[in-house]
Amino acid sequence: GESVGLHLPTLSVQEGDNSIINCAYSNSASDYFIWYKQESGKGPQFIIDIRSNMDKRQGQRVTVLLNKTVKHLSLQIAATQPGDSAVYFCAENKYSSYKLIFGSGTRLLVRP
Amino acid sequence: DAGVIQSPRHEVTEMGQEVTLRCKPISGHDYLFWYRQTMMRGLELLIYFNNNVPIDDSGMPEDRFSAKMPNASFSTLKIQPSEPRDSAVYFCASSPTEYNEQFFGPGTRLTVL
Repeated sequence: GESVGLHLPTLSVQEGDNSIINCAYSNSASDYFIWYKQESGKGPQFIIDIRSNMDKRQGQRVTVLLNKTVKHLSLQIAATQPGDSAVYFCAENKYSSYKLIFGSGTRLLVRP
Repeated sequence: DAGVIQSPRHEVTEMGQEVTLRCKPISGHDYLFWYRQTMMRGLELLIYFNNNVPIDDSGMPEDRFSAKMPNASFSTLKIQPSEPRDSAVYFCASSPTEYNEQFFGPGTRLTVL
């Protein structure tokens, strides 16, 4: 079932292209950041995380970039595949707060 | 590991009825979180537990909502009485530490008529 708002920003990309999803976080004290992927009818699934002492981290086909100066986070997906179609959330956390604050999400649509 | 388990997956009830949602966290995870997801408000944290103790329930909308964690492998979220505006998808998540990713269950879709 649907899991996010009707007015989500949407990114449409061609299969095989690279995708870049952006997120502006709110708290300058946040020091831990996560990207989640949520497919229709499922719970959010962890993709990759990064701590504030880093500005880049790479996983399999994904890279997260952190710019603390402008409080910006991005998720890059290489060679986007149809299975990447989902809603992507960034989340931030301040050490010792135990609470993740989620962004509103971006819908990624992959055109065949 | 089976991951976080939630039941039921779908619940349809009438306004005024009591609703109980259930969650089994991943074994060994000390933190358990209850979230609600709606179209209008996105993903909201309702309450979380550390070692079965509620730590922060500031996200619980009102007194009609209550949550318990009687042991390390089970938690419930209860709504009594339920109202149509409670209709949402409710997620349970668990985490091994306070500073780590949270693992989400598949969610319970609640519809209150």
